[in-house]
Amino acid sequence: AQKVTQAQTEISVVEKEDVTLDCVYETRDTTYYLFWYKQPPSGELVFLIRRNSFDEQNEISGRYSWNFQKSTSSFNFTITASQVVDSAVYFCALSETSGTYKYIFGTGTRLKVLA
Amino acid sequence: ETGVTQTPRHLVMGMTNKKSLKCEQHLGHNAMYWYKQSAKKPLELMFVYSLEERVENNSVPSRFSPECPNSSHLFLHLHTLQPEDSALYLCASSQGHLKGDIQYFGAGTRLSVL
Repeated sequence: AQKVTQAQTEISVVEKEDVTLDCVYETRDTTYYLFWYKQPPSGELVFLIRRNSFDEQNEISGRYSWNFQKSTSSFNFTITASQVVDSAVYFCALSETSGTYKYIFGTGTRLKVLA
Repeated sequence: ETGVTQTPRHLVMGMTNKKSLKCEQHLGHNAMYWYKQSAKKPLELMFVYSLEERVENNSVPSRFSPECPNSSHLFLHLHTLQPEDSALYLCASSQGHLKGDIQYFGAGTRLSVL
């Protein structure tokens, strides 16, 4: 069965610290997509990244980086030199290529960056 | 891209009221979605529309009634809701309804049912 687990419910860091948000997924599909979204206090989910299952290259975008490891079914997200504006809830999601149109979301990790 | 607009942003309604949530997307997308976000639960997909046809209805109670008059607009009509329906209702759109299409979300309507 498909599932996304974000075991960290809440993380607090001091500004400029690095922080890694964990995401572990379960799927029987060989082709699937993984996503990260950010939900600031304003409410909207902001798309951050999409990765397909055939592309295991890590990606870096500014202070954000993503580590995709199929061997451990993980798609972790690291923020380098965190800033107060990074405070939000971060969601990991899975979209399989079989079955329904669903995104399977994790329960989210609330990140608090303290000044 | 933040081209998905939801109104109202906040709504308080009694259990006997009828109200509607509105979503409009300015991205030229063909698929639209309603999600429910309750505290400490994963986002729950409620409805999916593709080219104005409903393609998914996730066992949602009939007190929630969606309407998609065109590919840019999506409504969620509410009637005789229960207090447990209080939640953040999020609308999203994507280019198509294929698996893996990126969904773009609105800011949501925070609904309180008294």
